[in-house]
Amino acid sequence: GQNIDQPTEMTATEGAIVQINCTYQTSGFNGLFWYQQHAGEAPTFLSYNVLDGLEEKGRFSSFLSRSKGYSYLLLKELQMKDSASYLCAPYTGTASKLTFGTGTRLQVTL
Amino acid sequence: EAQVTQNPRYLITVTGKKLTVTCSQNMNHEYMSWYRQDPGLGLRQIYYSMNVEVTDKGDVPEGYKVSRKEKRNFPLILESPSPNQTSLYFCASSIGQGGDEQYFGPGTRLTVT
Repeated sequence: GQNIDQPTEMTATEGAIVQINCTYQTSGFNGLFWYQQHAGEAPTFLSYNVLDGLEEKGRFSSFLSRSKGYSYLLLKELQMKDSASYLCAPYTGTASKLTFGTGTRLQVTL
Repeated sequence: EAQVTQNPRYLITVTGKKLTVTCSQNMNHEYMSWYRQDPGLGLRQIYYSMNVEVTDKGDVPEGYKVSRKEKRNFPLILESPSPNQTSLYFCASSIGQGGDEQYFGPGTRLTVT
């Protein structure tokens, strides 16, 4: 099975930087997804990390350490529209298995 | 426009009354999947399909059925809905297997009384 751990809630100020952590324990790990989900809406893809290291995509960056079973999502220059849940999802590559964490609800305040 | 559609978006029904939630994608994706989302439990996979006539169970398949007769459609069937199936349901598709970005439908909010 898989065990995925991320903080339940976080609060940050507009314009600031926030880091959302995710730790996971899984067998047959292939890579890790991050999805964003606004309240009442569908999840949308943010990033997919396969190799160790940081991948930057605009204001969002995602980091992966395969040996530590650890990833984080870094959001810079926070905007009010970034208030959403952020879902960590390790992919095992086994039978197309994608398992989602329970998500971190981020609230951006003025 | 590339998209995944689901119908209905909202449904209130009674215990035991069979229902079908439709899912359709126009991107020629091979892989499709159904999830349910419940507070505190996150997204859990119900069933998935890797291609036409190829389906398999996810983490929480009990009480659900699926079929994949055409590449674009992947309906979710609840033969005898129960109150514990009250949830928010999402259909998703991707080009290939789970290592590709999944595109999600808008969701179906189901209430079973």
